[in-house]
Amino acid sequence: DTGVSQDPRHKITKRGQNVTFRCDPISEHNRLYWYRQTLGQGPEFLTYFQNEAQLEKSRLLSDRFSAERPKGSFSTLEIQRTEQGDSAMYLCASSLPGAAEAFFGQGTRLTVV
Amino acid sequence: GENVEQHPSTLSVQEGDSAVIKCTYSDSASNYFPWYKQELGKRPQLIIDIRSNVGEKKDQRIAVTLNKTAKHFSLHITETQPEDSAVYFCAAYPNSGNTPLVFGKGTRLSVIA
Repeated sequence: DTGVSQDPRHKITKRGQNVTFRCDPISEHNRLYWYRQTLGQGPEFLTYFQNEAQLEKSRLLSDRFSAERPKGSFSTLEIQRTEQGDSAMYLCASSLPGAAEAFFGQGTRLTVV
Repeated sequence: GENVEQHPSTLSVQEGDSAVIKCTYSDSASNYFPWYKQELGKRPQLIIDIRSNVGEKKDQRIAVTLNKTAKHFSLHITETQPEDSAVYFCAAYPNSGNTPLVFGKGTRLSVIA
């Protein structure tokens, strides 16, 4: 599968623990996006990278959230001191330079208990 | 910023009938409007898109129309089949800065055999 891949697919964690998710975009895509999706809602934008530069962050991205893309390839999203409200599907997407079309990964479903 | 409204939230049709899903957007500078299909437990998949320089685009049983003046766009599925059952999301791409896709809240389509 040469599409966007995310790891892990599912994560169950206790409240207060830290979690980290990984996203590997399509190889020639220099733009990478993180979205969050809760039940019955559309994907909500969290943050966006162009190569290694983090260009925009949503107000949804509290101080407990941090994302990196150190070499402009894969990206990680870390959530510190998880809360039950963080339970959601975390989706990663990527796109070509200058292109609006975004392709999504399978997502990481986070459950905070 | 951009705001996308999507209606209806749920839609049930008989197999063979047509389905129409409508979206409105707020930012007149938005210039790209994709539609995604998301089956249960799977990633959102791009099924069709339209740019602001055209009014209609068709791909087999799926068509999208765009009215820039009214700032709304619609997805039309003809001759619906049970495998069309899924959640459909519209999105808009604001043509300003680095803002990525803004999604509607989704329409759950059920095609009844």
